[in-house]
Amino acid sequence: KAGVTQTPRYLIKTRGQQVTLSCSPISGHRSVSWYQQTPGQGLQFLFEYFSETQRNKGNFPGRFSGRQFSNSRSEMNVSTLELGDSALYLCASSLSGIYGYTFGSGTRLTVV
Amino acid sequence: AQTVTQSQPEMSVQEAETVTLSCTYDTSESDYYLFWYKQPPSRQMILVIRQEAYKQQNATENRFSVNFQKAAKSFSLKISDSQLGDAAMYFCAYRSANTGNQFYFGTGTSLTVIP
Repeated sequence: KAGVTQTPRYLIKTRGQQVTLSCSPISGHRSVSWYQQTPGQGLQFLFEYFSETQRNKGNFPGRFSGRQFSNSRSEMNVSTLELGDSALYLCASSLSGIYGYTFGSGTRLTVV
Repeated sequence: AQTVTQSQPEMSVQEAETVTLSCTYDTSESDYYLFWYKQPPSRQMILVIRQEAYKQQNATENRFSVNFQKAAKSFSLKISDSQLGDAAMYFCAYRSANTGNQFYFGTGTSLTVIP
């Protein structure tokens, strides 16, 4: 059974640009969540999608957005990149969150 | 919002010995779920163990067990017979039973296993 797949694995962008990260969940998992991980702030919740609808949203500016497609694949977009957006972005999928997430290996975004 | 605190940024243990990682959380809810995740250098977070708050019995998964003290809001992880492959960052996480699929993570404990 394939795991959660995130692409790309590494990304370098320039300040002011925008970026799109992709996540393919485990087959059958309809819930996809995104987290930002930084050394200073730790793991912070961005948002959760379930059946193409955003169900929960964390405390991030509107530059961070996401969507989910009918096949449960999800993308997150960050516009007008800032240096502080440099982080590891983790995607996680679940059948039901009470059993925990399965995480992908993340996308390491560096903004220069 | 719920907060999760891991007061030990770093821990070390001799191979084959036992180590306990601490976690406390703050919540006014009575129904929730607690998790321990492991993040090795490969970056992928791996679920180690989970506990339902309504269960008094402590969860166990092979060499991993928890000490769940609901009244004290404490959820420690014990690793027995430590192995080199246990070296990783360990994160404690909280999920409400009522407010959706959002996890709150602690800041992590870096575990070193000494051969």
